[in-house]
Amino acid sequence: ETGVTQTPRHLVMGMTNKKSLKCEQHLGHNAMYWYKQSAKKPLELMFVYNFKEQTENNSVPSRFSPECPNSSHLFLHLHTLQPEDSALYLCASSQGLVVNEQFFGPGTRLTVL
Amino acid sequence: DAKTTQPTSMDCAEGRAANLPCNHSTISGNEYVYWYRQIHSQGPQYIIHGLKNNETNEMASLIITEDRKSSTLILPHATLRDTAVYYCIVREHAGGTSYGKLTFGQGTILTVHP
Repeated sequence: ETGVTQTPRHLVMGMTNKKSLKCEQHLGHNAMYWYKQSAKKPLELMFVYNFKEQTENNSVPSRFSPECPNSSHLFLHLHTLQPEDSALYLCASSQGLVVNEQFFGPGTRLTVL
Repeated sequence: DAKTTQPTSMDCAEGRAANLPCNHSTISGNEYVYWYRQIHSQGPQYIIHGLKNNETNEMASLIITEDRKSSTLILPHATLRDTAVYYCIVREHAGGTSYGKLTFGQGTILTVHP
């Protein structure tokens, strides 16, 4: 238990569906991150938020829309995804951006049919 | 960030030391070496980091060569629960532009056998 929770743990959706992934951290951190881990590929950073403000968008397609209503919650809204978007989506948090350690959640395993 | 090179996989007997190498020959002076691991079906977990001195914590030891072009992560008494993918990451530290960015490679799959 890292103090970062993600729901749902598994999600299957069609290409026309709209769904959202949720991340919550119970560590009092102010920076949160979304990563994508596809099969046989390294983890890729998608978005970075610091004090609810987006500080990095790593050229992510617009069908992925992040939302950070407060420092404890991070969402990833999904719409019109493609089968190649199937992956493990990981959320992480840290106390500030210039830190040694990021704490990761268990991830959401997404399958797009 | 500088790139790292790690062996694809390694085996280790339970109770023995696991020594995981990492090459980072293009590392620059303000870049640190970080190690994370990812156990199957879990998110990555921070292990240790260092600049040029050897470091030790409750999980592992990090040995960095004098020229800083390579390092070794040591798990002193490996257990079955240490079976995971181990990532060696070179990262700019405080004040750098890659402040929060961890650039993961393919890592080393460590399998600990009974």
